[in-house]
Amino acid sequence: AQSVTQPDIHITVSEGASLELRCNYSYGATPYLFWYVQSPGQGLQLLLKYFSGDTLVQGIKGFEAEFKRSQSSFNLRKPSVHWSDAAEYFCAVGAGLTSYDKVIFGPGTSLSVIP
Amino acid sequence: DAGVIQSPRHEVTEMGQEVTLRCKPISGHNSLFWYRQTMMRGLELLIYFNNNVPIDDSGMPEDRFSAKMPNASFSTLKIQPSEPRDSAVYFCASSLTGGIAYEQYFGPGTRLTVT
Repeated sequence: AQSVTQPDIHITVSEGASLELRCNYSYGATPYLFWYVQSPGQGLQLLLKYFSGDTLVQGIKGFEAEFKRSQSSFNLRKPSVHWSDAAEYFCAVGAGLTSYDKVIFGPGTSLSVIP
Repeated sequence: DAGVIQSPRHEVTEMGQEVTLRCKPISGHNSLFWYRQTMMRGLELLIYFNNNVPIDDSGMPEDRFSAKMPNASFSTLKIQPSEPRDSAVYFCASSLTGGIAYEQYFGPGTRLTVT
């Protein structure tokens, strides 16, 4: 079965600084990978996803993520953080594309932004 | 589009009472998911419907929990009897079709407090 870990429970960055949130997955075959963001009091919103092809994936709100098979990682990056990026970020992994497959979410990383 | 609608947004109830959470998915979406989010356990998938049929209910914690989807535009999650450990935020999400290939759109959640 697939699983996903996010080593950092909480990260604080200054506004304008770069950001990298770590995600590691465990799955024997090619995984399907996602990043979701949850703003306070809201549901989750998809930032980006990787299914195949180019290992550098662009998402909404200026985020990108890179799939590295050798490291079993799918880290999320943003070159310059805005105060509005303060939120909870979830990495997720899926194992297949049938209607029976589901997404497994990581524990999340809480991001604080210092003005 | 109104997005996924959940009601109520907040529910406070006493232990032993029945609780019913409601969800209206996005029109045209064929898949519906119920999640539970807690600090201790993170985001857990409780049950997943495709074309109104339960596909995977392995995440339902125990018999006190039940979910129905009588038609494509409405689903309920019922807890009877409720217990303090059921306190959590419950999210409903919908997607265009089954599996993980299509983005899940989350509702704002129902915050349940059982005293």
